[in-house]
Amino acid sequence: GQNIDQPTEMTATEGAIVQINCTYQTSGFNGLFWYQQHAGEAPTFLSYNVLDGLEEKGRFSSFLSRSKGYSYLLLKELQMKDSASYLCASLRNRKLIWGLGTSLAVNP
Amino acid sequence: GAVVSQHPSRVICKSGTSVKIECRSLDFQATTMFWYRQFPKQSLMLMATSNEGSKATYEQGVEKDKFLINHASLTLSTLTVTSAHPEDSSFYICRPWAGLSHQPQHFGDGTRLSIL
Repeated sequence: GQNIDQPTEMTATEGAIVQINCTYQTSGFNGLFWYQQHAGEAPTFLSYNVLDGLEEKGRFSSFLSRSKGYSYLLLKELQMKDSASYLCASLRNRKLIWGLGTSLAVNP
Repeated sequence: GAVVSQHPSRVICKSGTSVKIECRSLDFQATTMFWYRQFPKQSLMLMATSNEGSKATYEQGVEKDKFLINHASLTLSTLTVTSAHPEDSSFYICRPWAGLSHQPQHFGDGTRLSIL
């Protein structure tokens, strides 16, 4: 199959840190993307990992372990505007295989 | 600035109308164009993949005669929803790709299609 799994929903508090996990099938793997999607809008690119390790970009960081087929997106200093759906997608043979997204609610 | 331009952003029309959606890559040549559809509170669903100058490849369950895709140039692709019906109401999003896997994968802003 083409399973890519991530939690359906998460809740966090403003100012806190949240980690969103994603697991994927490793065969034919070319890279792992994270996107943010607000309701009614197209996804916007957050990060791309193709090598193992942590990529830091401001308040957002993304981690990849190719041997484990595992990635996470780390959001620090959460803001209310970070409430959105976060989509994990693996690139396999030119196609992006999408997770169903994690709906993150940031509460005051 | 934006690297992908998708128009129109919103269409409301009567059943039976055909609707054309344009997607342009602004600062790179898109050898491949991916077209997606997203229903409310559901994940993105790939509809079809097209390569410049070739016929599109449609995913299972997507009618090629209903969703016409033209990818005549490296910077422009169009999706035409022919004789649209209310069940075609959805959010349509394009994703042009230059063929390099390390490039950020940017989407168009999407077209919200509402068929009355």
